[in-house]
Amino acid sequence: QKEVEQNSGPLSVPEGAIASLNCTYSDRGSQSFFWYRQYSGKSPELIMFIYSNGDKEDGRFTAQLNKASQYVSLLIRDSQPSDSATYLCAVNGGYQKVTFGTGTKLQVIP
Amino acid sequence: DAGVTQSPTHLIKTRGQQVTLRCSPKSGHDTVSWYQQALGQGPQFIFQYYEEEERQRGNFPDRFSGHQFPNYSSELNVNALLLGDSALYLCASSQNLAGGSYEQYFGPGTRLTVT
Repeated sequence: QKEVEQNSGPLSVPEGAIASLNCTYSDRGSQSFFWYRQYSGKSPELIMFIYSNGDKEDGRFTAQLNKASQYVSLLIRDSQPSDSATYLCAVNGGYQKVTFGTGTKLQVIP
Repeated sequence: DAGVTQSPTHLIKTRGQQVTLRCSPKSGHDTVSWYQQALGQGPQFIFQYYEEEERQRGNFPDRFSGHQFPNYSSELNVNALLLGDSALYLCASSQNLAGGSYEQYFGPGTRLTVT
């Protein structure tokens, strides 16, 4: 079982819709969770982090964490073509080692 | 406020050679982590440096080594290069806070091609 799992996609959504990206993790001791956006040929860019169960909102982005079910999700409201990228879920197990999923490719169709 | 910087941007090496990649962390950050990202994959953790010592290491052979300097900058060295070492090498910096937030910020990466 992979430590951090994501659907590779591509996930296609129309412009203006809500994009929902999901991630599951195996280590119950994980303490902090991150979402990175990576454009093709570029390095990952941190867009959200969450440490506590529940929702965290930042602009058009909402991160949701459910530690009991070991999943974390990212919602992107009012999706724009510029949101088209690969979204990486990353999990920290408490020892400064961050484990990444393979990423979900998001395509926003104009 | 300068972000994470890495050099060089691109590098082409031959099998068996050695390579050194460099990273300067974001201002105020004292911890540097190195990752290898193959095409179509997520970044794979190589190791992390804090207070000039390797604190954590991923599943990489001893051919991969590193160093952190007193100014928190870091180097990644790879010996006896293999074709499979071709990848994007990413440096990420973070601040070691009590209670640990571990928010990492990445540099632009070094694209290494081994021929």
